[in-house]
Amino acid sequence: DSGVTQTPKHLITATGQRVTLRCSPRSGDLSVYWYQQSLDQGLQFLIQYYNGEERAKGNILERFSAQQFPDLHSELNLSSLELGDSALYFCASSVGHYYSYEQYFGPGTRLTVT
Amino acid sequence: AQSVAQPEDQVNVAEGNPLTVKCTYSVSGNPYLFWYVQYPNRGLQFLLKYITGDNLVKGSYGFEAEFNKSQTSFHLKKPSALVSDSALYFCAVRDALGNTDKLIFGTGTRLQVFP
Repeated sequence: DSGVTQTPKHLITATGQRVTLRCSPRSGDLSVYWYQQSLDQGLQFLIQYYNGEERAKGNILERFSAQQFPDLHSELNLSSLELGDSALYFCASSVGHYYSYEQYFGPGTRLTVT
Repeated sequence: AQSVAQPEDQVNVAEGNPLTVKCTYSVSGNPYLFWYVQYPNRGLQFLLKYITGDNLVKGSYGFEAEFNKSQTSFHLKKPSALVSDSALYFCAVRDALGNTDKLIFGTGTRLQVFP
């Protein structure tokens, strides 16, 4: 158990809908990252937050947004969903400094868009 | 741009034999390298990292990795494979360009250990 929790584990929804994925980082970790894993794209970085502030964006669509709250949990919002958004979405957290750069991953949320 | 390559989609090895999963990297500056393992329907589990120091890094579950600067490689190794080691293995590099420290992953190597 990495200490990172994600809910829900599975999500099935229709095209055009909006969903919210939730992540709680390990205790003490200030950085939260979101990644998307799909068969054709592999593991892709989406966005990073550090202590409530957006730190960097990767290959994140404009239909997607995220935020990190004062208690450090994070939410990834996916809207106007398309079939191609079906994927496994991972949240990871890290201390983010002083040689502790490894990231610890949650179990993921499997999103299926029908 | 920072990148890692895993040249083998799949590696097959008999139980009890040594295993190697290959990874090469391309980075600007000092490389911060990682190995992760993914079991079916699970998240990625951190195995080990190279930041600085000894070229042979020891990690979880008996795995180790050898950092080779001249060959820009960071191969994952284990002296004696177990059937339970069968999983998907990812090499990753920390990308600290800009204001981030995201991980860039390789395409993954599926390890199959046969009894």
